[in-house]
Amino acid sequence: DTEVTQTPKHLVMGMTNKKSLKCEQHMGHRAMYWYKQKAKKPPELMFVYSYEKLSINESVPSRFSPECPNSSLLNLHLHALQPEDSALYLCASSQEVAGTSKFFGPGTRLTVL
Amino acid sequence: AQKVTQAQTEISVVEKEDVTLDCVYETRDTTYYLFWYKQPPSGELVFLIRRNSFDEQNEISGRYSWNFQKSTSSFNFTITASQVVDSAVYFCALSEAPNYGGATNKLIFGTGTLLAVQP
Repeated sequence: DTEVTQTPKHLVMGMTNKKSLKCEQHMGHRAMYWYKQKAKKPPELMFVYSYEKLSINESVPSRFSPECPNSSLLNLHLHALQPEDSALYLCASSQEVAGTSKFFGPGTRLTVL
Repeated sequence: AQKVTQAQTEISVVEKEDVTLDCVYETRDTTYYLFWYKQPPSGELVFLIRRNSFDEQNEISGRYSWNFQKSTSSFNFTITASQVVDSAVYFCALSEAPNYGGATNKLIFGTGTLLAVQP
């Protein structure tokens, strides 16, 4: 199983809403990532989890809150987002943090009204 | 600083043509990794290949081939006999070497090349 799954596929939310994005992998990977991708741009790294601990936060605003409940799951909690946060949010995993290939999920297309 | 340049913003070809996507990288590391990803309109980033800096052998996988040349810091990707299903944005990416004191495995992406294959 070389699949990373993400739910939901699409999400529309208002600026006062609280929502969560979910990501799951069953490849035994110990590193998981959140990326944000705006239209016609490459993905930008947001967070890195290694062995269920947050190891990298790329100066992401606190309205984005990641959580790694176990080695297979990664959540991204959203609160008080802005319209400019509308983007494709991609989850990825890799066997280890260093030097291994990342496998990406299909993404959640988020629209903030 | 690490950087990946994909100078071709968009390429349009007719089905069955061969097409080469260029990728030029910059890094001060002697050990590093290079990747190609495909992103179809559905949005998912599909992993195509990973190459480490010590392995300059060219790679062929079906209609796909990759030419890695350290002398010119290039890692070009060729699709032979292109098909409509090859239409996508293709990203080249660079990753730093393992640093077990605190590696990030951060991928440095190029800006991508949009390939349109016309029937």
